Amino acid sequence: QQQVKQSPQSLIVQKGGISIINCAYENTAFDYFPWYQQFPGKGPALLIAIRPDVSEKKEGRFTISFNKSAKQFSLHIMDSQPGDSATYFCAASIWSGGGGSNYKLTFGKGTLLTVNP
Amino acid sequence: DAGVIQSPRHEVTEMGQEVTLRCKPISGHNSLFWYRQTMMRGLELLIYFNNNVPIDDSGMPEDRFSAKMPNASFSTLKIQPSEPRDSAVYFCASSLLPMNTEAFFGQGTRLTVV
Repeated sequence: QQQVKQSPQSLIVQKGGISIINCAYENTAFDYFPWYQQFPGKGPALLIAIRPDVSEKKEGRFTISFNKSAKQFSLHIMDSQPGDSATYFCAASIWSGGGGSNYKLTFGKGTLLTVNP
Repeated sequence: DAGVIQSPRHEVTEMGQEVTLRCKPISGHNSLFWYRQTMMRGLELLIYFNNNVPIDDSGMPEDRFSAKMPNASFSTLKIQPSEPRDSAVYFCASSLLPMNTEAFFGQGTRLTVV
């Protein structure tokens, strides 16, 4: 059972455009939603994260939008740059659940973003 | 800090051989995760250690896989015997839970079993 569904699988955007990647989750107990960025040959690295007590979080050109009722969250990259070309993973975990295996991150399958110059 | 260090970076082995992947987490971190990444299945959690104790190994695919964390600064993931379907990139990540939610990943070990 895939608990976090990510779309699209791949995305091509022109420089300066907006990149949008969507994720949907099933487990209503999830309360921590990070996005990770991965460049070829590297491990994933945390980009931005959100808790469900807010509907939006912005850091520079990157914004997470969160819709708790729809169990969906998305990553928006404004003014996309060729250097943003990478694979993006959404993830979810249970943070307030008292520890143990709740902390483990469940990842989406990733979106390969290509920003053309 | 040098970050999470994994070795080797690349491993090519023949089917049936034993493979050992190594990980040194960030100093001071109390949690360590092993992930496997493939095109078909994405990033899958194999096992999670907290304070050197395995907390969740439900993602370990079968008995051919085993993981150990003998101390806070070292962990191994062993595959014996290896099979071609084990070919993947294996990542180790560490965190300081619950204070810091970020997982810091190593650069991965690309395993090819021929």
